[in-house]
Amino acid sequence: EPEVTQTPSHQVTQMGQEVILRCVPISNHLYFYWYRQILGQKVEFLVSFYNNEISEKSEIFDDQFSVERPDGSNFTLKIRSTKLEDSAMYFCASGVSGELFFGEGSRLTVL
Amino acid sequence: KNEVEQSPQNLTAQEGEFITINCSYSVGISALHWLQQHPGGGIVSLFMLSSGKKKHGRLIATINIQEKHSSLHITASHPRDSAVYICAVKVDKLIFGTGTRLQVFP
Repeated sequence: EPEVTQTPSHQVTQMGQEVILRCVPISNHLYFYWYRQILGQKVEFLVSFYNNEISEKSEIFDDQFSVERPDGSNFTLKIRSTKLEDSAMYFCASGVSGELFFGEGSRLTVL
Repeated sequence: KNEVEQSPQNLTAQEGEFITINCSYSVGISALHWLQQHPGGGIVSLFMLSSGKKKHGRLIATINIQEKHSSLHITASHPRDSAVYICAVKVDKLIFGTGTRLQVFP
């Protein structure tokens, strides 16, 4: 069964460093999403991406964040100059016809 | 005020029991999702509903659009059903509930 894959599963970084989280969505899906879950809190929407551009973004998704689909398969989330409060689980999801498929998540720890 | 409220927050059950998890929301939605989050953190989509009822194996999800309410039922619960169950509503984006932590004991 096709699945959304995310790498790395866990990344530890120093505050101020740049991090790139990678996602390979399901191949025929058209919509791509990033979500974040801070430990002990609910999942929050970050950004949606369709037709090679951002279709919706939350107030969390400020200039520190960017998304790209560099090669038609990967979908990346870049976090510039990481802060302690960026520590969270980041989930990628892809979808078609409203159905959503999530990756296993990338845990980011900022020290 | 939370736009998506789930109840209960925590639920324990004995194997074989019938489980109901409730979700109420306060906004107009185009769809509602039920998700399962494993202890390791991964999320699996269980159902997407815009009306009526859906069934998959031992899981049943219902939605009442007029009452802005949805329920997830698990029949003949099993320890492997232990997880956090999350309700999320689709507005222009997905808005998530805080989840219901279910533990099923043998």
